[in-house]
Amino acid sequence: AQSVTQLDSHVSVSEGTPVLLRCNYSSSYSPSLFWYVQHPNKGLQLLLKYTSAATLVKGINGFEAEFKKSETSFHLTKPSAHMSDAAEYFCVVSGSGNAGKSTFGDGTTLTVKP
Amino acid sequence: EAGVAQSPRYKIIEKRQSVAFWCNPISGHATLYWYQQILGQGPKLLIQFQNNGVVDDSQLPKDRFSAERLKGVDSTLKIQPAKLEDSAVYLCASSILAGAYNSQYFGPGTRLTVL
Repeated sequence: AQSVTQLDSHVSVSEGTPVLLRCNYSSSYSPSLFWYVQHPNKGLQLLLKYTSAATLVKGINGFEAEFKKSETSFHLTKPSAHMSDAAEYFCVVSGSGNAGKSTFGDGTTLTVKP
Repeated sequence: EAGVAQSPRYKIIEKRQSVAFWCNPISGHATLYWYQQILGQGPKLLIQFQNNGVVDDSQLPKDRFSAERLKGVDSTLKIQPAKLEDSAVYLCASSILAGAYNSQYFGPGTRLTVL
């Protein structure tokens, strides 16, 4: 069994300040973990993924995430928020034991204030 | 390269009617997924195909939902009859292969409203 918990349903930051979106996971297998972003009226886009290589993963648009097995976390960060970062963000766990079936969190809405 | 195509983009029907959605994955992608995304929730996997075979359909309400992927390329998802709670965005995604490491590429979705 696997699950994902995104700890904040809404996060609001000011432009130029750091972003932290929190994600905890549970998996019976060695998981792969992903972050996707969904802008209004657009499809989901992959930001970054962890697949058992380096624990600090860098993605597109300046985002990065760190896999911490001891804390079962995969938090998404960005040093400086931009207005264009405002969107819905989804954390996803995919387990090798079930053909890579993916389980999505319920999402975090990021608002960026000018 | 062309992305995942879906049609229609929007559909409004009355309950008990039937509806079908179409998906064309990225060329060469063997794995195709259908997700249901209810407002305020993350996408939920309905069915996963590997070529034209079903890998996982454990969360597909089989009494009303059906899906097929003829010839291992395009796919159709059907709802018959629709219920109010089926109002959602239906997302199609594809990946090169199945498996935890593979990234999924998503289409724009079909927004279904059941009245």
